[in-house]
Amino acid sequence: QLQLQESGPGLVKPSETLSLACTVSGGSIRSTSYYWGWIRQPPGKGLEWIGSIYYGGNTYYSPSLKSRVTISVDTSKNQFSVRLSSVTAADTAVYYCARHTLYCSTTGCSPGWFDPWGRGTLVTVSS
Amino acid sequence: EIVLTQSPGTLSLSPGETATLSCRASQSISTIGHNHLAWYQQKPGQAPRLLIYGASTRATDIPDRFSGSGSGTDFTLTISRLEPEDFVMYYCQKYGTSPYTFGQGTKLEIK
Repeated sequence: QLQLQESGPGLVKPSETLSLACTVSGGSIRSTSYYWGWIRQPPGKGLEWIGSIYYGGNTYYSPSLKSRVTISVDTSKNQFSVRLSSVTAADTAVYYCARHTLYCSTTGCSPGWFDPWGRGTLVTVSS
Repeated sequence: EIVLTQSPGTLSLSPGETATLSCRASQSISTIGHNHLAWYQQKPGQAPRLLIYGASTRATDIPDRFSGSGSGTDFTLTISRLEPEDFVMYYCQKYGTSPYTFGQGTKLEIK
């Protein structure tokens, strides 16, 4: 059974860079059927997609975060990571990683739905 | 960018009743043969769980009390015979093209 686990600092200072990793177990991150995504949820608010990456390195990013986000993959560790620069209090959230299933049609393939998800990790931005 | 609007924001019902949740897209998210919409359930303190993809296909181990329908811009999640554990948050999500955005959510609460 595929499982994902987020890891990284729970507290980041304003203007610094938030860095989290997601370790995939029970399956290979090198699968051709999936992207791997990051989603966040500020306390008491809704879900916001951050970005997704294919094992080969192709990425999609949220337009609202694109200037500050970098997602990378390390296939040797079966892991992918997110870095968010110049953080503010507005970046305080629970950060989830999830498998992003590819949907394929006659016109090609693109990322679809998220399943499964990691349990999430709370990152607080505060001095 | 396509925006998803969920309604109502909060839905108050009793166990045993049927819930109808709406998700409207600002432009069509359907192509020939597929509707690019997923539904998730989120319980307090937990990660979201996939319920439905392709607007109407139940994910693995999702009971048939949960059903999805719709196409184009209007989609519905129907939950029949509500059980106490169903009274939580629900989100829709569009795919097909980036960005892969979520609706703002509907809270299903006990009346």
